[in-house]
Amino acid sequence: GAGVSQSPSNKVTEKGKDVELRCDPISGHTALYWYRQSLGQGLEFLIYFQGNSAPDKSGLPSDRFSAERTGGSVSTLTIQRTQQEDSAVYLCASSSNYEQYFGPGTRLTVT
Amino acid sequence: AQSVTQLDSQVPVFEEAPVELRCNYSSSVSVYLFWYVQYPNQGLQLLLKYLSGSTLVESINGFEAEFNKSQTSFHLRKPSVHISDTAEYFCAVTSSWGGYNKLIFGAGTRLAVHP
Repeated sequence: GAGVSQSPSNKVTEKGKDVELRCDPISGHTALYWYRQSLGQGLEFLIYFQGNSAPDKSGLPSDRFSAERTGGSVSTLTIQRTQQEDSAVYLCASSSNYEQYFGPGTRLTVT
Repeated sequence: AQSVTQLDSQVPVFEEAPVELRCNYSSSVSVYLFWYVQYPNQGLQLLLKYLSGSTLVESINGFEAEFNKSQTSFHLRKPSVHISDTAEYFCAVTSSWGGYNKLIFGAGTRLAVHP
């Protein structure tokens, strides 16, 4: 079946603007994760959702970052008042067991 | 908490030579271990995993990794590399307790295979 999809693939935004990044997980996967990949910090966990449980937000770097998952499927990561240090590739993964399958990522560039 | 150390940031190697990419982890609880590969301008792909059972795990394209609990290592090896193996390789760990858990990644090792 289809893998994890993310949109947009690339996003260029001006400093101070808000952005929304979307993730469509693999159908039937109950867990969904967001990670960030940047040159300086490598691959960092941001947030994860598991079924109806409260999300684990422990990796969000500031209160400008938030995420939601609607209907146990699609997730949106929102970054408010973007800063240049938010430039990175944002990766989404979904899982039905301990194996996480990653989407192609959204490359965010803040100018 | 867990952490992962990949001891080599870059590994250059000639085609058909053997290669080993080193990975050490630390954790106060039992773990599951993974290797992911990222080809240029592509996303992360699961290469192989250790969950339980045999400590030697293999991928479909000739890579293998051995879980060594006493040395807290999960090194990745291939006896003969191809140009197409050029990619960045990430070792990752997650706790085996409590259901789904986040992955903790190492900094990555860039494998460059030269003709």
